[in-house]
Amino acid sequence: DAGITQSPRHKVTETGTPVTLRCHQTENHRYMYWYRQDPGHGLRLIHYSYGVKDTDKGEVSDGYSVSRSKTEDFLLTLESATSSQTSVYFCAISDRVGGLKNEQYFGPGTRLTVT
Amino acid sequence: QKEVEQNSGPLSVPEGAIASLNCTYSDRGSQSFFWYRQYSGKSPELIMFIYSNGDKEDGRFTAQLNKASQYVSLLIRDSQPSDSATYLCAVTDSSASKIIFGSGTRLSIRP
Repeated sequence: DAGITQSPRHKVTETGTPVTLRCHQTENHRYMYWYRQDPGHGLRLIHYSYGVKDTDKGEVSDGYSVSRSKTEDFLLTLESATSSQTSVYFCAISDRVGGLKNEQYFGPGTRLTVT
Repeated sequence: QKEVEQNSGPLSVPEGAIASLNCTYSDRGSQSFFWYRQYSGKSPELIMFIYSNGDKEDGRFTAQLNKASQYVSLLIRDSQPSDSATYLCAVTDSSASKIIFGSGTRLSIRP
C-alpha cells in the first residue's frame, strides 16, 4: 500500500457522535486525498490537500472536514456522524498533479458503520 | 459533473481467454487515464496508465486509448482466476488536479 496507513481500520459509532479518521504516509508525497466508496457509486472525492494547511473540497464534502498539520498526516473528521456516512473510506496520495504522471496510490481503507 | 462510465458487469470470461473491459469519459480535456484493480475487501491497486492514443502493453495487460471517441479499454490476455476482481477506470479532470473514477466492472474468470 505504498507506505500508507489508515486508522482505525474498522469503526462502529452511533449517530451524532464525532469521528476522526487518520491517514499517515511515509512517502513524503505532497498531495493527499480522502474518498468514500459505496456500492453503485464508485470512489467519490470528499476532500483533498495540496500541502500542509492547504485543503479543498471534493464532490461530496458536506458533513466532513479535514486538517493537515504535517506532510505525513491527513485527518478526516465527521463532526456529527449520520447513517448516510456509513461507508468505506480510502486515503490516497500522489507526488504530483498536472501534467501526465499524476497517478494516485491508496491506503488499506477504513470501514465505518454509523448505527 | 464530468463522468466516467463503465459496465458494472459481472463479466464472466473462461480461463485462458481474453477479457475486454471498456470505459467512456465525458471530459475532452482529460489527459491521463488509469486502470485500477480492486479485490473484494481490499484497496484499489494501480495496474496500468496511458496518456497517448493507441496501445500500451505490460505483460498480459494492454491498455487502449482513443481520445477522439473518448474511450479507454483494458485487455487481459490468458485470463487467470486471480484476475477475478473489480476493475476501476479513472480519468484526470481537465485541470489534471483530480481523478474521477468509474463505478467499476466486476470480472469473473471461470475455470
